[in-house]
Amino acid sequence: AQSVTQPDIHITVSEGASLELRCNYSYGATPYLFWYVQSPGQGLQLLLKYFSGDTLVQGIKGFEAEFKRSQSSFNLRKPSVHWSDAAEYFCAVGVGSNDYKLSFGAGTTVTVRA
Amino acid sequence: SQTIHQWPATLVQPVGSPLSLECTVEGTSNPNLYWYRQAAGRGLQLLFYSVGIGQISSEVPQNLSASRPQDRQFILSSKKLLLSDSGFYLCAWRPGGGQPNTEAFFGQGTRLTVV
Repeated sequence: AQSVTQPDIHITVSEGASLELRCNYSYGATPYLFWYVQSPGQGLQLLLKYFSGDTLVQGIKGFEAEFKRSQSSFNLRKPSVHWSDAAEYFCAVGVGSNDYKLSFGAGTTVTVRA
Repeated sequence: SQTIHQWPATLVQPVGSPLSLECTVEGTSNPNLYWYRQAAGRGLQLLFYSVGIGQISSEVPQNLSASRPQDRQFILSSKKLLLSDSGFYLCAWRPGGGQPNTEAFFGQGTRLTVV
């Protein structure tokens, strides 16, 4: 079965510093990978997605992620964090066709300090 | 454009009472629909998904059930709530038709507290 691991439960970063959130997946075939962000008490918003092609994908809000098949990873990065980036971030893998499912990691909470 | 509505936003219910959460999608047809639960400090757990009217797949055994009476309506129910049913419930949709390369779109969630 597919699974997603986000090793870091909580990350604190200074405003203006770089951010990297780790995501590892376990899936036999080429996965469909996503990063979502959730502000407190809100639904999830898609940051970016990877299906095929260029392994470095750009998303909204200045985020990017790199797919590394050899490491089964899909890490999320942002060069310079803003206070508004404080939120919870979820990595997800999509599998199947008509019975498509998204499996999520446990999430990483990002705190931004001034 | 497509929109997803989920209500209520917040709900406080006593143990043993029934539950009904509703989710509707507008602007698309034959979507795949999903119910997720997010417990405090934990990730998202897929509870149910549906690929068509009356077709419900359950991912985990639990005290909850789901129904899809109409194409764009997805309902999460319980006959008797337990304390452990507390959490943040999220409805989501994605285009149906077997295309895997599309993302899911989420509602704003329902915060359920069972007291």
